[in-house]
Amino acid sequence: QQQVKQSPQSLIVQKGGISIINCAYENTAFDYFPWYQQFPGKGPALLIAIRPDVSEKKEGRFTISFNKSAKQFSLHIMDSQPGDSATYFCAASQVSGGYNKLIFGAGTRLAVHP
Amino acid sequence: EPEVTQTPSHQVTQMGQEVILRCVPISNHLYFYWYRQILGQKVEFLVSFYNNEISEKSEIFDDQFSVERPDGSNFTLKIRSTKLEDSAMYFCASKAVDEQFFGPGTRLTVL
Repeated sequence: QQQVKQSPQSLIVQKGGISIINCAYENTAFDYFPWYQQFPGKGPALLIAIRPDVSEKKEGRFTISFNKSAKQFSLHIMDSQPGDSATYFCAASQVSGGYNKLIFGAGTRLAVHP
Repeated sequence: EPEVTQTPSHQVTQMGQEVILRCVPISNHLYFYWYRQILGQKVEFLVSFYNNEISEKSEIFDDQFSVERPDGSNFTLKIRSTKLEDSAMYFCASKAVDEQFFGPGTRLTVL
């Protein structure tokens, strides 16, 4: 019940296209859903995060869509650029408990071709 | 912009040896974490630390692991007797409210 399932495992998109990565969770106690971007040899960096009281959050080219009833959330990267090529991890946690360990998905390796 | 720092960036050790990985969290943060990432796999939670004690630990965090905040700035992860399967990237993270900020990681190689 602590798992977060992420798909696809890898994604190839042409420059200017839309990248879509999906995640699903089971634990309804989760109340914080961040997306992290990781470049090789670096630590995960927070891209964008959402709470379940909203269905969508947009920051620049990055949008999270959240479906509470389906227990799914997704990351959309609009106008994808070669610099977006990285591994993306969704995560979930229960911030109401205070300590909020992050449960990560398996990751999606995105390659944006020029 | 404040950031989490970790040292060393790469640690090579022999099986059975003790290692200490060091982290300096962001100064006004109160919650601290260690995660690990085996090459090519997902990031896994190890332990969380708050108010000078462990608040939660995963099943990975067995008796060989310990954490400490020896002073007001450092946060350390000690592995008492390393095993081959401890080879991984170890990330420290800290948070003030919701967002966890990750350090650049320490690559631990156990030979």
